[in-house]
Amino acid sequence: QKEVEQNSGPLSVPEGAIASLNCTYSDRVSQSFFWYRQYSGKSPELIMSIYSNGDKEDGRFTAQLNKASQYVSLLIRDSQPSDSATYLCAPMEAGSYQLTFGKGTKLSVIP
Amino acid sequence: NAGVTQTPKFQVLKTGQSMTLQCAQDMNHNSMYWYRQDPGMGLRLIYYSASEGTTDKGEVPNGYNVSRLNKREFSLRLESAAPSQTSVYFCASSERWEETQYFGPGTRLLVL
Repeated sequence: QKEVEQNSGPLSVPEGAIASLNCTYSDRVSQSFFWYRQYSGKSPELIMSIYSNGDKEDGRFTAQLNKASQYVSLLIRDSQPSDSATYLCAPMEAGSYQLTFGKGTKLSVIP
Repeated sequence: NAGVTQTPKFQVLKTGQSMTLQCAQDMNHNSMYWYRQDPGMGLRLIYYSASEGTTDKGEVPNGYNVSRLNKREFSLRLESAAPSQTSVYFCASSERWEETQYFGPGTRLLVL
């Protein structure tokens, strides 16, 4: 059974700062990685996906992947109060139909 | 486009009652999924349908059945509800299994 570990938080950062969210996973066959954001009482929505080692940037968000270390992270630059949510990491194995979700990190951006 | 829709939004059941959760998507996606989300447990896959006409078990299938009615609709049935099935249920869909999953708004189920 694959394990996906995330710091549950809460992670508190001041407005305008960089928020760093980390995720480690237990298997070596995961090939695709997804970051979802979930506001309280709402459904998850995709923030970013990453498939190759290195960095991928999309606006204020940067995903970083290191498959050798089994580690994926999400950086949020210029954090806004509207970024306050729970962030879910979800690796997918090659050839698998299943995403395995971490329990999420709760981020709080303080105005 | 409505995306992924789920009905009902909220349901209270007594132990032993049955019910069906409905899910529909209008994005012409091939793959559909049912998850449950419990506090401290994260999202767990119950069943999925990689394509119309196929269904497979996920991580926590016991106590549930599914039907892929057509390409748009994927239902989840609880034959005899138990308090352990109290949860928030999310349906999701993706164009293909390896691509981004889009989630519906969820159904909150309380089993007494």
